[in-house]
Amino acid sequence: EVQLVQSGTEVKKSGESLKISCKASGYTFTIYWIGWVRQMPGKGLEWMGIIYPGDSDTRYSPSFQGQVTISADKSITTAYLQWSSLKASDNAMYYCARPSAPYSRGDAFDIWGQGTMVTVSS
Amino acid sequence: QSALTQPASVSGSPGQSITISCTGTSSDVGGYKYVSWYQQHPGKAPKLMIYDVSNRPSGVSNRFSGSKSGSTASLTISGLQADDEADYYCSSYTSSGTQVFGTGTKVTVL
Repeated sequence: EVQLVQSGTEVKKSGESLKISCKASGYTFTIYWIGWVRQMPGKGLEWMGIIYPGDSDTRYSPSFQGQVTISADKSITTAYLQWSSLKASDNAMYYCARPSAPYSRGDAFDIWGQGTMVTVSS
Repeated sequence: QSALTQPASVSGSPGQSITISCTGTSSDVGGYKYVSWYQQHPGKAPKLMIYDVSNRPSGVSNRFSGSKSGSTASLTISGLQADDEADYYCSSYTSSGTQVFGTGTKVTVL
């Protein structure tokens, strides 16, 4: 079964660093891009960025460029989203998701993780 | 890039049809076949309903259909059912090599 399993809820303070994970299984990890999507409380979906684990090619939405870092470890088929210094405005649910077609970062996300809730207090 | 524009809410009675619009530009919706639609129930992850403008993934009801004209895509739900009540988001590939979501539409079944 193809699935993405994300790490658990995080409660952090402003200024702290954080790295959340997305463990992939059931498919060839290196040939599918993996994206990250933010959803702030009561708000809509926001496309953050996407990585190709095969060569770590990464693209960011302009809104998130420089604010977060997306990475992947092929050896353990896991993608990551990290912050060096959290802000209260980073309070949100974060989803990882995989496009339906290999090699393509344009295709729709047909596989989604269950989400990781990040709570940042000041 | 700016979010694609969707109506905030759309409602209909059971059995009726509704259409949700998604307006972008020639740099996203108007320029690519990669337009998709997602359904999200409260507290759940989004679910892909339509991809490549008008294609349905396996298992998605044929009551859901998609189309595009110029820079505006549309999702139509026919034979509205109670379980269709959810938030719906469009998404498009962009000329920047990224993707962008729509603002989201809350569908209410009266």
